[in-house]
Amino acid sequence: EAGVAQSPRYKIIEKRQSVAFWCNPISGHATLYWYQQILGQGPKLLIQFQNNGVVDDSQLPKDRFSAERLKGVDSTLKIQPAKLEDSAVYLCASLDRRGTGELFFGEGSRLTVL
Amino acid sequence: KQEVTQIPAALSVPEGENLVLNCSFTDSAIYNLQWFRQDPGKGLTSLLLIQSSQREQTSGRLNASLDKSSGRSTLYIAASQPGDSATYLCAVRVSGNQFYFGTGTSLTVIP
Repeated sequence: EAGVAQSPRYKIIEKRQSVAFWCNPISGHATLYWYQQILGQGPKLLIQFQNNGVVDDSQLPKDRFSAERLKGVDSTLKIQPAKLEDSAVYLCASLDRRGTGELFFGEGSRLTVL
Repeated sequence: KQEVTQIPAALSVPEGENLVLNCSFTDSAIYNLQWFRQDPGKGLTSLLLIQSSQREQTSGRLNASLDKSSGRSTLYIAASQPGDSATYLCAVRVSGNQFYFGTGTSLTVIP
């Protein structure tokens, strides 16, 4: 079974530039999450999707971050314009909601904003 | 609001030692608790999942226990190896398919 796929693995941009991250969850997983993880901290939820609908985006900085999951499968997270404090690892996860309830993560996308 | 705490933040042990990592949570209304391993710059790898009705789960040298009423879980690693060096995080799943994570314990196993 293929895992959660994310790209790119690494991205370096200047502040005020834009960046997009892509995630393809495990097949059949309807619930998808984007987390931001700053070094030394636990993952912080940015947005939770159920199929193509948003369940929770209360911690998403909507003035600069956006995310979509148009067909209820893969998802894109965009940052525009980026700030220095956006430097972090962006993690995508999908939930085996109807099975064991286990959460699976991708390898993450490490963003450095200069 | 659920809060998850992991103590200690960092741990260093000599190879071969058995060790215990701790995770505590403030609200016992959880569906399950999951332990993850994270290597530097990488995503989280699931190690063990304990359902709320279970007391423990085992996988190889790892054993995780859950005491929901007291809000505690432990991850026991037997005969530690240098390859076990990583950050270990716990997370609880609550209603609405929300997850709350601890900040992790950074483990170093010295050869």
